[in-house]
Amino acid sequence: AQKVTQAQTEISVVEKEDVTLDCVYETRDTTYYLFWYKQPPSGELVFLIRRNSFDEQNEISGRYSWNFQKSTSSFNFTITASQVVDSAVYFCALSEASGGSQGNLIFGKGTKLSVKP
Amino acid sequence: EPEVTQTPSHQVTQMGQEVILRCVPISNHLYFYWYRQILGQKVEFLVSFYNNEISEKSEIFDDQFSVERPDGSNFTLKIRSTKLEDSAMYFCASLGEQGASYEQYFGPGTRLTVT
Repeated sequence: AQKVTQAQTEISVVEKEDVTLDCVYETRDTTYYLFWYKQPPSGELVFLIRRNSFDEQNEISGRYSWNFQKSTSSFNFTITASQVVDSAVYFCALSEASGGSQGNLIFGKGTKLSVKP
Repeated sequence: EPEVTQTPSHQVTQMGQEVILRCVPISNHLYFYWYRQILGQKVEFLVSFYNNEISEKSEIFDDQFSVERPDGSNFTLKIRSTKLEDSAMYFCASLGEQGASYEQYFGPGTRLTVT
């Protein structure tokens, strides 16, 4: 069965610190997709990244970077030089490509990040 | 930029009443979804819809829930007899044609409060 684990419930950092949010997933499929979403206090879900299971290249987008390691079933997210506006709940999610699960997202419980000035 | 819209943004209803949550997916998308997020908890999959029928549903999606795409534009979630535990944020999402991107676009959500 598929599962996403975000072991860090809450993280608090001071502005300009780097912070890494952990995500570990379980799936029996060989083809799957991993996602990160940001949920600010306003409540909407903001898409950050999608990665497919065949692409293990790390990605950097501005202050954000993602480390995908199939060997450890992890897809960690790092924010460099954090800012107060990064304060939000961050969700990791998994989507399998097979059968009737077309696109259905399985979410982790989320990590609440607080960045203090 | 195309977006998924949802109405209303907030719905308050009494226990036992029927509610209909509405969504307008992105126009050329073919896969549609409803998710639920109880306050402070994770986002949970409810149901997926493709080709005018349900393609998958979770254990949460019991007989009290139904979905429809009545006019080729709107995508609705109906809860027949609401319970207190149905209070949550409900998100609609749609996926690009042929599932090419697996990048689900979420609407802003409808906050349902059952009193």
